[in-house]
Amino acid sequence: DAKTTQPNSMESNEEEPVHLPCNHSTISGTDYIHWYRQLPSQGPEYVIHGLTSNVNNRMASLAIAEDRKSSTLILHRATLRDAAVYYCILRGMWGSARQLTFGSGTQLTVLP
Amino acid sequence: EAGVAQSPRYKIIEKRQSVAFWCNPISGHATLYWYQQILGQGPKLLIQFQNNGVVDDSQLPKDRFSAERLKGVDSTLKIQPAKLEDSAVYLCASSLGLTNTEAFFGQGTRLTVV
Repeated sequence: DAKTTQPNSMESNEEEPVHLPCNHSTISGTDYIHWYRQLPSQGPEYVIHGLTSNVNNRMASLAIAEDRKSSTLILHRATLRDAAVYYCILRGMWGSARQLTFGSGTQLTVLP
Repeated sequence: EAGVAQSPRYKIIEKRQSVAFWCNPISGHATLYWYQQILGQGPKLLIQFQNNGVVDDSQLPKDRFSAERLKGVDSTLKIQPAKLEDSAVYLCASSLGLTNTEAFFGQGTRLTVV
């Protein structure tokens, strides 16, 4: 199964943009890139997902490299409520690749 | 819409006892997942159902863990007998389908085995 690599932790200042990187050099052509986040004492929540093109929603933007070997989750204005563990996950279309498999993620700290 | 409901929220048991967790997914969601999350780690998939059939249970310790999803709606996860290393948060999630649909998670059940 394709794997992702994320930094263990990152810090950001409140009201500034945050760029959370994810490397996935072994991604296959049918793997979608998903992002979830987990706030303290909560279950994970979906943030965004994409295949090739950049994606925007009310929570964040997802920038996908042209070769698809990396992606970046962008929070446009970090708030204290965005402090969470962010998980970058690849999901394929067939068999076990469809699983939603979490790694260790990036712990984002937002400083006031 | 109502979210994924789990109960109980907390449970403390002694080792070698049995315990059961219950999950009610979002109405209409065919896919249901159970995860185990040990403190400081990401969630680990234990079992995945599509309607009332098992899609993947490769990481379920079948000697002590069991799960069922009768009628393709509610699900229960059981541990018998529990070990100290089973102390974790057990998360249930559901989604419309198997591929690339948003998964919704419950708040989890925190199990402490003493």
